[in-house]
Amino acid sequence: GQQLNQSPQSMFIQEGEDVSMNCTSSSIFNTWLWYKQEPGEGPVLLIALYKAGELTSNGRLTAQFGITRKDSFLNISASIPSDVGIYFCATMNYGGSQGNLIFGKGTKLSVKP
Amino acid sequence: NAGVTQTPKFRILKIGQSMTLQCTQDMNHNYMYWYRQDPGMGLKLIYYSVGAGITDKGEVPNGYNVSRSTTEDFPLRLELAAPSQTSVYFCASSNRQGAFEQYFGPGTRLTVT
Repeated sequence: GQQLNQSPQSMFIQEGEDVSMNCTSSSIFNTWLWYKQEPGEGPVLLIALYKAGELTSNGRLTAQFGITRKDSFLNISASIPSDVGIYFCATMNYGGSQGNLIFGKGTKLSVKP
Repeated sequence: NAGVTQTPKFRILKIGQSMTLQCTQDMNHNYMYWYRQDPGMGLKLIYYSVGAGITDKGEVPNGYNVSRSTTEDFPLRLELAAPSQTSVYFCASSNRQGAFEQYFGPGTRLTVT
């Protein structure tokens, strides 16, 4: 089946540092989504990308839809303690019915004040 | 708007017991979903519904049942709980066909012993 590979699995950084994470697949997709999950909560959508090459920002977060359509990247600039959480990439599962998402396993971010 | 609400927040079941996880959304969304999240993993789709009276299986439906009698509610039923069903369960909703921007509830943490 379709799989999304996220890396790194976890990151431990100092407050103020920039963060980069990515999501790759052997399949081509038309959409990439980035979600953040805080402890004890459900995932919250951060950024949605709909076009190859697209670069979209949401505050200190910037995400890019890879030109090959097989990958996506998320960058966080000048990290702060509230950035702590698990970041998931997700995309559309074409093997299922419309609206079904498949998720990567997540990148766990820890920020040291 | 409360968004997507789930009850209970936590539950411990004995093997063979049954229970219903409740999910309600007040955004008038047609599409609703149930996911499970195992430790260190992304979310996997159990069941979904494209509208009242219509449900369909996702990636991991075995051991679960759902119903959708109203637009607002989408309960998930476990008939014979097994240890393999120990997980965190998330309900989500979206407002249009093929919508990738799903809104998640806070989750139900279920332990089966």
